[in-house]
Amino acid sequence: SAVISQKPSRDICQRGTSLTIQCQVDSQVTMMFWYRQQPGQSLTLIATANQGSEATYESGFVIDKFPISRPNLTFSTLTVSNMSPEDSSIYLCSVESPEGDGYTFGSGTRLTVV
Amino acid sequence: GQSLEQPSEVTAVEGAIVQINCTYQTSGFYGLSWYQQHDGGAPTFLSYNGLDGLEETGRFSSFLSRSDSYGYLLLQELQMKDSASYFCAVKHDYKLSFGAGTTVTVRA
Repeated sequence: SAVISQKPSRDICQRGTSLTIQCQVDSQVTMMFWYRQQPGQSLTLIATANQGSEATYESGFVIDKFPISRPNLTFSTLTVSNMSPEDSSIYLCSVESPEGDGYTFGSGTRLTVV
Repeated sequence: GQSLEQPSEVTAVEGAIVQINCTYQTSGFYGLSWYQQHDGGAPTFLSYNGLDGLEETGRFSSFLSRSDSYGYLLLQELQMKDSASYFCAVKHDYKLSFGAGTTVTVRA
């Protein structure tokens, strides 16, 4: 399965600022997925990042708030913009296994907005 | 949209067997998978069922009935390290949607 390096692992940010989270995969993948996991909750898909095209956002998530870049087949960034305390969550990136059964997740970014 | 239901928590003793049920409603269903997440950790893949039947991976087994939109994860010979959250997730279209998760607590 793929290995994903995600950073930063955690950050404490002031409200109104932005944070960019990076994910590097050790193999080329067509799609990368970005999730949010609020404290004690399940994972919610934010968007799917495809190389060479605009990301596809799920209902309730918009590009202005969560801009995504996908410059190549091994890398993606998610920016959390104009942050408020409600954005305090764990953010995770994920890719599908080549076999099409399981998904691998990055180690997550624990974001606290104060 | 998608909806998945699983119990919120289960408690059992070491060595016991635990079954976590998951029922789902979705369109474009490809398969049902299971993930384990320890506190402070990332979800890790446990098992996937694309077809009806039982898949066994060591102490963990997973079952799927597509006609019943139902699956389960079976944890056998429970160990303390199995205390974690377990999520069922449906693969639909090209992505995953997760259930709310089941917290499994293993007591000595």
